[in-house]
Amino acid sequence: EIVLTQSPDFQSVTPKETVIITCRASQSIGNSLHWYQQKPDQSPKLLIRYASQSFSGVPSRFSGGGSGTDFTLTINGLEAEDAATYYCHQSSSLPETFGQGTKVEIK
Amino acid sequence: QVQLVQSGTEVKKPGASVKVSCKASGYTFPIYGFKWVRQAPGQGLEWMGWIVGYNGETKYAQNFHGRVTMTTDTSTSTAYMELRSLRSDDTAVYYCARAYCSGGTCYTPIDYWGQGTLVTVSS
Repeated sequence: EIVLTQSPDFQSVTPKETVIITCRASQSIGNSLHWYQQKPDQSPKLLIRYASQSFSGVPSRFSGGGSGTDFTLTINGLEAEDAATYYCHQSSSLPETFGQGTKVEIK
Repeated sequence: QVQLVQSGTEVKKPGASVKVSCKASGYTFPIYGFKWVRQAPGQGLEWMGWIVGYNGETKYAQNFHGRVTMTTDTSTSTAYMELRSLRSDDTAVYYCARAYCSGGTCYTPIDYWGQGTLVTVSS
């Protein structure tokens, strides 16, 4: 099973700051890494697929990068509505797995 | 627009079974499959398996082998997930989610999620 480890687990950030969340895979997964945003009491929403492809309708302040084992999700110019938990997910091999989540709080 | 509408909250006793439905609309059903993901209270996301929309092929997580069955009804564009021999640690929100499938596999991202179905297992 591929383990995805996100860091940090929690981040408290001021609006307009830049947030970088990392996701490290226990073995190479190419670019089969996807990012989701989950707000309290809501379903997750796809932000980035295949490491760097923005999903339709996602604000341009969200971007992704990386390949192999190391990936990043960057939020440039954090807005209050970005308060959420962010998860990475690998679809390279079974079982599919998710990172443990990174909670982003707005100061 | 793509919509996945799941069935409502369930309360079950240990040892019972639950069947969650997920009605899809707004797209061509057979081209996509469904992944089922659960989230225990206050916890992260756990992949349970997938089912290919057009041929019903399934892959299940080892953790659920023998207890879970995923099916689809193409005539009503509905997916189902049945979990048997429920335990208290099966208490969770269960999500159906859409994923593109090709060649009988779905090694793809989840692009749309249902609203979730809370299943509580308690004596």
